[in-house]
Amino acid sequence: GDSVTQMEGPVTLSEEAFLTINCTYTATGYPSLFWYVQYPGEGLQLLLKATKADDKGSNKGFEATYRKETTSFHLEKGSVQVSDSAVYFCALLTGGGNKLTFGTGTQLKVEL
Amino acid sequence: DAGVIQSPRHEVTEMGQEVTLRCKPISGHDYLFWYRQTMMRGLELLIYFNNNVPIDDSGMPEDRFSAKMPNASFSTLKIQPSEPRDSAVYFCASRAGMRDEQYFGPGTRLTVT
Repeated sequence: GDSVTQMEGPVTLSEEAFLTINCTYTATGYPSLFWYVQYPGEGLQLLLKATKADDKGSNKGFEATYRKETTSFHLEKGSVQVSDSAVYFCALLTGGGNKLTFGTGTQLKVEL
Repeated sequence: DAGVIQSPRHEVTEMGQEVTLRCKPISGHDYLFWYRQTMMRGLELLIYFNNNVPIDDSGMPEDRFSAKMPNASFSTLKIQPSEPRDSAVYFCASRAGMRDEQYFGPGTRLTVT
C-alpha cells in the first residue's frame, strides 16, 4: 500500500542554520505530495505542495521538489528561525484524491 | 473565514462513559475528514464524508466508534463506551470540492482514565 517515510527526529538546529528533512514515498500511480506543519497545541497547516514530477512547492522560505526518479520530496530551508520550531509531516494523496497518507512527523527545534 | 471549529478542545472522561466530539467544517467545503493522532500510530484517517454521506469508514477502529454528519455544517464522532486506549488527539478536517488541500481544526485532546 501507499506509505511515507520521514527521517527520525527531533532535529535540533541553531538559528540561521540550513534545514533538510528527508521524505520518501511509495505509491501507485502519480500522487500529489504535501508538507504540513503542526505548531504546539494546534492542528496541521498546509505548508506547501507539488502535484507532478519536477514541481517545486515553496512557502515561507521552505521548498520541496517532487522527485519521481528517487520517490522523494525533501523539505529544505536556507535559514531557520526559532519560530520554525514545530512538527513537520510529509504526506501523499491518492485514492481518487481523498485519502491523505502521512509520515510519522519530524520534530524540529531551533535554538538561539 | 473562521476555519474548522472543533469542540471541546479538551475532554477528560472515565472509562465506560460516552464521548461526543464535534466539528464544524469551513462553509462551502463538501468533504469532511476525522483523524486520530497518537504517539504510537501517528495520524490515522478514521472516516470521511462527501456531501454529508459517509464514503469510507475503514479506519474506524471498532464498533464503539461512530460518526455522523446530519448537515453540511456539523459532524460528530462518538465513542461509546470509551476506553483508556482511545486517549488521543482527534482532528477534523474539511476540503472544498476538487481542490486537494485539507484544512484542519485545532483538535480535541481526549483523555480516558
